Amino acid sequence: QKEVEQNSGPLSVPEGAIASLNCTYSDRVSQSFFWYRQYSGKSPELIMSIYSNGDKEDGRFTAQLNKASQYVSLLIRDSQPSDSATYLCAVNDYGNKLVFGAGTILRVKS
Amino acid sequence: ETGVTQTPRHLVMGMTNKKSLKCEQHLGHNAMYWYKQSAKKPLELMFVYNFKEQTENNSVPSRFSPECPNSSHLFLHLHTLQPEDSALYLCASSQESGQTYEQYFGPGTRLTVT
Repeated sequence: QKEVEQNSGPLSVPEGAIASLNCTYSDRVSQSFFWYRQYSGKSPELIMSIYSNGDKEDGRFTAQLNKASQYVSLLIRDSQPSDSATYLCAVNDYGNKLVFGAGTILRVKS
Repeated sequence: ETGVTQTPRHLVMGMTNKKSLKCEQHLGHNAMYWYKQSAKKPLELMFVYNFKEQTENNSVPSRFSPECPNSSHLFLHLHTLQPEDSALYLCASSQESGQTYEQYFGPGTRLTVT
């Protein structure tokens, strides 16, 4: 069983700061990587996908992938209290099967 | 909302009841999934359907029975459940295209087994 590891947190950052969320995965052949945001009592919402080494930016979010180190991260710039949520990292296993990490709780303090 | 709907949103059932969860996707996708999310545990994949065919059964107990009549609808039939089956049940869908497997989730059904 492939594994996806995340620090459970909570990660606390002040409003306006950069939040850095990290994820490591066990299988070198994984090709697709995803970040989901889940508010308390809600379902996961896809916020970023990344498939190639390097950075991918979308608004205040940047996903970073390093396949050699089996590491994927999510940076949130200018963090807002509305960013407070659990962030789930997901990695494809085989085909369209995804393996999810347990999530990191982010708290943005105003 | 993401174009994936689930009903009911909340369900309380006894261990001897039979109930069904329904999922419908309006995104034109060709794959659908059932996940279980329990408190403080990662999302657990239960079933995968590709083009209406079941391609994954992640060692799920037989008291959970999926049904996929077409690529837009997915059901999860429940019978003789146990209290430990209480959880959030999530449906998701995706469009298979090369290596992209972006899955979009419905709002979930909060199930309580008494």
